[in-house]
Amino acid sequence: DTAVSQTPKYLVTQMGNDKSIKCEQNLGHDTMYWYKQDSKKFLKIMFSYNNKELIINETVPNRFSPKSPDKAHLNLHINSLELGDSAVYFCASRRGVDWQYTEAFFGQGTRLTVV
Amino acid sequence: AQTVTQSQPEMSVQEAETVTLSCTYDTSESDYYLFWYKQPPSRQMILVIRQEAYKQQNATENRFSVNFQKAAKSFSLKISDSQLGDAAMYFCAYRSLQGAQKLVFGQGTRLTINP
Repeated sequence: DTAVSQTPKYLVTQMGNDKSIKCEQNLGHDTMYWYKQDSKKFLKIMFSYNNKELIINETVPNRFSPKSPDKAHLNLHINSLELGDSAVYFCASRRGVDWQYTEAFFGQGTRLTVV
Repeated sequence: AQTVTQSQPEMSVQEAETVTLSCTYDTSESDYYLFWYKQPPSRQMILVIRQEAYKQQNATENRFSVNFQKAAKSFSLKISDSQLGDAAMYFCAYRSLQGAQKLVFGQGTRLTINP
């Protein structure tokens, strides 16, 4: 069973469209993250939720909106997609911010291509 | 804010030889975690090794070991007996024990193994 799974793995869409990427973890973790990896392979945090509560919101355009219906899921919705949004988006989870000495588990990544 | 720097965009090594990847970081915190992640062409982020800052002993995992110099804020990864399967992007990452405990990544080093 995949611990952290993202769907879809690949997403090709036109500029201006709205799309969502889903993430689910079956590890019972409390904290989930979205990271963005740009074309130069640089990875940067976007959002983090702990028990469905937003705890990190880096300087990300308002077109990006995370949603956590429950602590096992953290979805990423992107409105009005732009060419610069093309990247690989990684979901990750950790046991929780109260468990400092635990590692993050990553999903397989979603490669988003905006044309 | 913490920063992580990997000064070697690319490295190559002959199969069976040893290679060292460099990483430096900047922080004002006294306790934290450091990680090395491997990203093969499959895109999956794989944890290679981690080091707790309060531990003076360098972490080792089979052929992978680190040289952790806390005063110098240096955290290099040594890969012994390099294998073709070690070819990947390697990312150094810092994690605070405070707040949301996000990972801060370096720019990555692309490692090529020559047969």
